[in-house]
Amino acid sequence: KNQVEQSPQSLIILEGKNCTLQCNYTVSPFSNLRWYKQDTGRGPVSLTIMTFSENTKSNGRYTATLDADTKQSSLHITASQLSDSASYICVVSGNSNSGYALNFGKGTSLLVTP
Amino acid sequence: KAGVTQTPRYLIKTRGQQVTLSCSPISGHRSVSWYQQTPGQGLQFLFEYFSETQRNKGNFPGRFSGRQFSNSRSEMNVSTLELGDSALYLCASSLEPSGSSYEQYFGPGTRLTVT
Repeated sequence: KNQVEQSPQSLIILEGKNCTLQCNYTVSPFSNLRWYKQDTGRGPVSLTIMTFSENTKSNGRYTATLDADTKQSSLHITASQLSDSASYICVVSGNSNSGYALNFGKGTSLLVTP
Repeated sequence: KAGVTQTPRYLIKTRGQQVTLSCSPISGHRSVSWYQQTPGQGLQFLFEYFSETQRNKGNFPGRFSGRQFSNSRSEMNVSTLELGDSALYLCASSLEPSGSSYEQYFGPGTRLTVT
């Protein structure tokens, strides 16, 4: 069964600090991995999409890494801001008999405090 | 360019009733996917439509159904509502089917409460 596990489940950090969120997956064969940010009461917004051949991708203060060999990804947030408080969801796409299938992690809830 | 819109934004229904939710994708997008999000389960895939054809379906009972029109707008229907159907229902649109490397854009969701 394809699975996506995220850790930690929740995290509290001080404004200005860095943090790293983890995503481990067993999806195979692998197509791509995405990180989304979801503010409370809103739909998710894409941060990065990485394919098999990419191992780092940045979007402003967000940097995602991918190790396709160990099936691990991380999302690093630099110099956190209060507006970074949100849920971060890892989504891994894999091929199935019926085509592509998206596999969702349950997310990491991040709270940035002043 | 307008984003993905969903209507209504909030809905309160009674057990046993049925409900229809609507999603208008970004102009030019042919793929629409539907998701259910609850605090305990996170995002769960319901189904995806591409060019009016359902191309993928998640593990939900037959009470959950959908369709896509020729203008790519999509509707989702839930019949015989249960308390457990209370959730945020999100739709997302993309140029190509989800799972490809094309960006998927989410709408703001419809918050359904079943009493």
